[in-house]
Amino acid sequence: EVQLVESGGGLAQPGGSLRLSCAASGFTFSSYWMSWVRQAPGKGLEWVANIKQDGSEKYYVDSVKGRFTISRDNAKDSLYLQMNSLRAEDTAVYYCARYCSGTNCFRYWGQGTLVTVSS
Amino acid sequence: QSALTQPASVSGSPGQSITISCTGTSSDVDGYNYVSWYQQHPGKAPKLMIYDVSNRPSGVSNRFSGSKSGNTASLTISGLQAEDEADYFCSSYTSSSTAFGGGTKLTVL
Repeated sequence: EVQLVESGGGLAQPGGSLRLSCAASGFTFSSYWMSWVRQAPGKGLEWVANIKQDGSEKYYVDSVKGRFTISRDNAKDSLYLQMNSLRAEDTAVYYCARYCSGTNCFRYWGQGTLVTVSS
Repeated sequence: QSALTQPASVSGSPGQSITISCTGTSSDVDGYNYVSWYQQHPGKAPKLMIYDVSNRPSGVSNRFSGSKSGNTASLTISGLQAEDEADYFCSSYTSSSTAFGGGTKLTVL
């Protein structure tokens, strides 16, 4: 059974930093692109970032470029999102998702971790 | 403002069929056959229901179907059931990124 478990969310001050983690199990982690998708309270979904199987390619939504960094450790079956210079508009539930194989979609999702940016 | 446009809400009675539209542009929906749909119940993670416009992942009921015409994609749910009441989001590939719709709340009357 595929499982994705996020952690690391919480309260951060504007301008502060947080590091999210996602522990994967039930599949060969190193064989899949992975993603972060976020959802502001009461709002829709927003794709945040993707990372290739070996970490050699990374893509970000414009609003987080230069502030967020996606990374992975295939030896630990883990995905990360380093979030710096946080803004109030970054407040959201952040989901870790396994990208579909060979096409554009998000096949499996974690339960999400809430990030709140407020003073 | 979401990149893809969905109606805010739709409703239907048990047993009926409903269709949710998702309108984009030539840069996303009309440019690629990479439209997917997600179901989200309150407080839960999204679940993939349709990918590549009209394909269902294993385990998804065949009451769910997808299609596309030009820059508008559609999700149809037939034989509506109470458990289908949820939010539905469309998404499309667009130049190294993914755009989502704003979501549609489905109410089963």
